Amino acid sequence: QKEVEQDPGPLSVPEGAIVSLNCTYSNSAFQYFMWYRQYSRKGPELLMYTYSSGNKEDGRFTAQVDKSSKYISLFIRDSQPSDSATYLCAIQGYSTLTFGKGTMLLVSP
Amino acid sequence: DAGVIQSPRHEVTEMGQEVTLRCKPISGHDYLFWYRQTMMRGLELLIYFNNNVPIDDSGMPEDRFSAKMPNASFSTLKIQPSEPRDSAVYFCASSEKGQSSSYEQYFGPGTRLTVT
Repeated sequence: QKEVEQDPGPLSVPEGAIVSLNCTYSNSAFQYFMWYRQYSRKGPELLMYTYSSGNKEDGRFTAQVDKSSKYISLFIRDSQPSDSATYLCAIQGYSTLTFGKGTMLLVSP
Repeated sequence: DAGVIQSPRHEVTEMGQEVTLRCKPISGHDYLFWYRQTMMRGLELLIYFNNNVPIDDSGMPEDRFSAKMPNASFSTLKIQPSEPRDSAVYFCASSEKGQSSSYEQYFGPGTRLTVT
């Protein structure tokens, strides 16, 4: 079993939809959970991170961690065409990150 | 700060040739990471340095790959000899330990390598 599993998509939604992106992980020792956004032909950039379980909100984005089920989610409200990108979840080990393969999101106007 | 700088942005080479990728991390960051990204395998960590010292190179696929960090502002990833299966996008990232012990990594724009 891979350490981090993520559905590659693509996920296509109309503008204004609520988007749910998810990852599962296998190592219960992980404490920091991150979401990176990668636009086409660019490097990934950190979108937000959470520590341990719970929710964290930043504008239209909400990150959620459920350590009991080893499940992390990113919700995007009122999705915009500019949100079209690949979203990678990342789990922090001691000083390194293990990334999921990424989910491609396409938001159509 | 200009962010993480990588060169070249694109590299096309023939099988068997030596390829050298370069990275300048963000000033003050003490961690540097080299990744490879492909559709099949996603983003894979190849090697990382802390204070210019290689800490973990277990992700380096073969002896054909080598990386150095001679000083805090420069690192290279070398492939010799290159093979078509090395074709991928190679990213360099840097980070510093945050106050909360999180490690936000800042990525460069990547080098798109094509080996024919």
